Amino acid sequence: ETGVTQTPRHLVMGMTNKKSLKCEQHLGHNAMYWYKQSAKKPLELMFVYNFKEQTENNSVPSRFSPECPNSSHLFLHLHTLQPEDSALYLCASSQEGGPGNTIYFGEGSWLTVV
Amino acid sequence: AQSVTQPDIHITVSEGASLELRCNYSYGATPYLFWYVQSPGQGLQLLLKYFSGDTLVQGIKGFEAEFKRSQSSFNLRKPSVHWSDAAEYFCAVAFTGGGNKLTFGTGTQLKVEL
Repeated sequence: ETGVTQTPRHLVMGMTNKKSLKCEQHLGHNAMYWYKQSAKKPLELMFVYNFKEQTENNSVPSRFSPECPNSSHLFLHLHTLQPEDSALYLCASSQEGGPGNTIYFGEGSWLTVV
Repeated sequence: AQSVTQPDIHITVSEGASLELRCNYSYGATPYLFWYVQSPGQGLQLLLKYFSGDTLVQGIKGFEAEFKRSQSSFNLRKPSVHWSDAAEYFCAVAFTGGGNKLTFGTGTQLKVEL
C-alpha cells in the first residue's frame, strides 16, 4: 500500500456534474496538498492544509472546493468545471513545518471534463 | 518570486551512457532544492534533496546532484543510464519562510535508447 492513496484514478465528468476526488495518507503527516499538473506547464500548487486548517489557496476558482476532515484525509469537490480543468490532480502530504520536509505524492487522479 | 528553469524539454540518451539534466533557479537566498521523478501513470517520487553542507548530494537509483551557488544551478547526474530510468524529471525549490510550498520546473522528459 502506497503512502498516499488517491481515488478514483480516472474520472470523466460533464460540465454540469458534481464529483469528488479523495486522498488518504498513511504516513502520519499533518500537512496535505492538492497540485494540478497540466501538459507543458509546471505543477501548480492549489491548496495547502496544515493540521486540518487551510493555509494556502493559490487563487483557485471556486468551482474547486477542498475539504480536510482530519490530517489523514483530503477531498477535492468539483462542480461546474470547464474543459480546461482537465488535468492530473496530485495529492501530497508531509510533516508541517520547514521547507526541508519531504513531500510525498500520490499517483494522481486523471480528470477529463467533457 | 522564486522560479525554476529546466531548459531541456526532452533528452534522449543511449542505455549505459551518462546523463546530466539541467536545473537553474532564481531566488535570493540559499534555496532548498529537490529532484523528483515521475514514471508514466505514476505520482512523483523524490530522488534527492539539498539544504546545506556538501554540495554534492547522493540520491536513490544511483542519481546525484551538485549545487553550484555561483551558477544558481542544481544539475542531476547519473553515470550510466538504465532503460528503466525513462521518465519525466522535475526540479523543485522551496525557501525559508515559504513553508513546505514547492515551486516546480516544467520537467525534462528522458528517453533511453536501447
